[in-house]
This record gives sequence, C-alpha cells and structure tokens, in this order.
Amino acid sequence: LAKTTQPISMDSYEGQEVNITCSHNNIATNDYITWYQQFPSQGPRFIIQGYKTKVTNEVASLFIPADRKSSTLSLPRVSLSDTAVYYCLVGDIYSGAGSYQLTFGKGTKLSVIP
Amino acid sequence: GAVVSQHPSWVICKSGTSVKIECRSLDFQATTMFWYRQFPKQSLMLMATSNEGSKATYEQGVEKDKFLINHASLTLSTLTVTSAHPEDSSFYICSAGPQTSGIETQYFGPGTRLLVL
Repeated sequence: LAKTTQPISMDSYEGQEVNITCSHNNIATNDYITWYQQFPSQGPRFIIQGYKTKVTNEVASLFIPADRKSSTLSLPRVSLSDTAVYYCLVGDIYSGAGSYQLTFGKGTKLSVIP
Repeated sequence: GAVVSQHPSWVICKSGTSVKIECRSLDFQATTMFWYRQFPKQSLMLMATSNEGSKATYEQGVEKDKFLINHASLTLSTLTVTSAHPEDSSFYICSAGPQTSGIETQYFGPGTRLLVL
C-alpha cells in the first residue's frame, strides 16, 4: 500500500476555497486515490475518488497530475460545517470483491474560521 | 451512496463484561467488512477483516480471542469485545463496500463509542 503524506492541519476563512494536497510518491499503476471526511465521533464519509486528471462532484474536486505522485482535494467556498479531518488514501480498489482494505494516515485537520 | 449502520451508537459497561457491536449494510450485500478502532485525536486503525462464512483475519497485535468477529450473513457482522477493560475504551467503526465489477468504495458506519468503567 502506498504511503501518503498530508499537512497535519490547515486553517481557512469561511467562503474561501481550500486545497489540501496529499503526496503519494510510491503510488502503483493500479492504485486509485480516495478522500474521506471525518467529523468528531462519526465514521468517515466518502468525498471523492479518482485515478488521473480531474474529478468533480457536488461537494469537491480532485486534481491529479500526470505523474500521479500527488493529489489535491479542492473544497469550494468552505463553511464552518466543513471543519473536519480529511484523509487521503491510495490503493488498488479495482478488485470487484468489496474487499479493498484501507490504511489511514494521520489526515489533515481543517479548521474553518468565521 | 451505500448505507452502513452500527448498533449501539454508544455503550458503557463494567470491567470484565462483554460487549457486542453490530455492523449492518442496509442496501447492499457485503462479503467483506472491516473493523477499525480509533483512539482520541488519532487516526483509524484497522483491527480485522470480517469475511462472510469464514474466519476473520486479524491485524498484527490484535487479540482474536478478545475481539470476536462473526460475519454470519452478507449484511451483518458483529464484533464482541470479551472481558472488556478500561484500555478497550475507544471508538469502534466498521466499513463495507458494495460488491461491484469495477471500482470499489468503502462506506463507514457511524461508529460505536465504548466506555469501560
């Protein structure tokens, strides 16, 4: 499993765009990149997943450069409710058996300031 | 996305008692479920992989006789903390992913807070 490195914490004001970058230098050819959000005393919530280039959904965008050695989660116009820990995970999830094992790093604690 | 539930959401017990935590996939079947433990201000740590119809696979350092896992159906896995002690107090979270032929996504339950007195 590829090791990931994220900033320990980030602060942002409400309404700003937040970009959290994750380094995964040893990412393998079959690995996908997945981001989760976790609020205190709750289970992680899936945010977005991608393999290369750019992926966008209703809550975030994921930018992956051509070498795939890093990825950036972009949260547009954050609000106070976006204060949480964000985890970047990398692994081969194309097994089709529901048995993909996740390994969590320390994550990035995002604090949104009024 | 898919929904995973856990019960109970929190439990307080006396030292020496056993506690059972249920993890259910509500709208999909899951051959495999995962159990994690999270201590305050720390990341999630994988404890074991629960396999339907067979024995669970435990991570190094996790006592299989203390943390009993049963995955009797494709929608239910249970974790029993036997003879619980205060050091077992933690946040227990399960996850499961729909079986698909393509990209998988793991969905997490809301977690169970265990406090052992």
